[in-house]
Amino acid sequence: SQTIHQWPATLVQPVGSPLSLECTVEGTSNPNLYWYRQAAGRGLQLLFYSVGIGQISSEVPQNLSASRPQDRQFILSSKKLLLSDSGFYLCAWSTLAGALTGELFFGEGSRLTVL
Amino acid sequence: AQKITQTQPGMFVQEKEAVTLDCTYDTSDPSYGLFWYKQPSSGEMIFLIYQGSYDQQNATEGRYSLNFQKARKSANLVISASQLGDSAMYFCAMRGPMDSSYKLIFGSGTRLLVRP
Repeated sequence: SQTIHQWPATLVQPVGSPLSLECTVEGTSNPNLYWYRQAAGRGLQLLFYSVGIGQISSEVPQNLSASRPQDRQFILSSKKLLLSDSGFYLCAWSTLAGALTGELFFGEGSRLTVL
Repeated sequence: AQKITQTQPGMFVQEKEAVTLDCTYDTSDPSYGLFWYKQPSSGEMIFLIYQGSYDQQNATEGRYSLNFQKARKSANLVISASQLGDSAMYFCAMRGPMDSSYKLIFGSGTRLLVRP
């Protein structure tokens, strides 16, 4: 069966520090991968999605970046965090068919607090 | 542009009763999909149900059904026979335009609390 893991689960970082969140998927190949952010009390906002290795689409201009160095690995990064980067970050995957029907499978989430 | 609106920030329901969570959407795309996700306090997002814009019948999945009214652009979620475990945040979402069909646009959510 397919599983998705992301880490770290929780982190507290100072403003201006770098960030790296990692997400891996097991049990499937060539998945679509996504990074969403959920601000406190808000819905999810799509940050990046990827349909293949090295293929990244950015939805929101920001100081975050994403990379997909391997088929089932998706990394969210920042060189210098801002206070506004605080939030709950969710990695998700889908098959191509699932992307059309909206059936995404989400990781456990990473809660980032920037101080 | 696509937009999803959930006007109920929070709702209460008595255990074993049915509850309806409202969702309205706006899109000019003739082909779209509508979805509901559940987010328990643990944070993970759980896919519940999907309705395609061309589907003739309302989608159902166990105790979940989607009341799809295309003319009104509404896609309300109905949960029958509420259980304590249904207490969670519920998000309505829509698939974006076909040229970027990977995107899901989410509403702001409704927090449901089931009372024993």
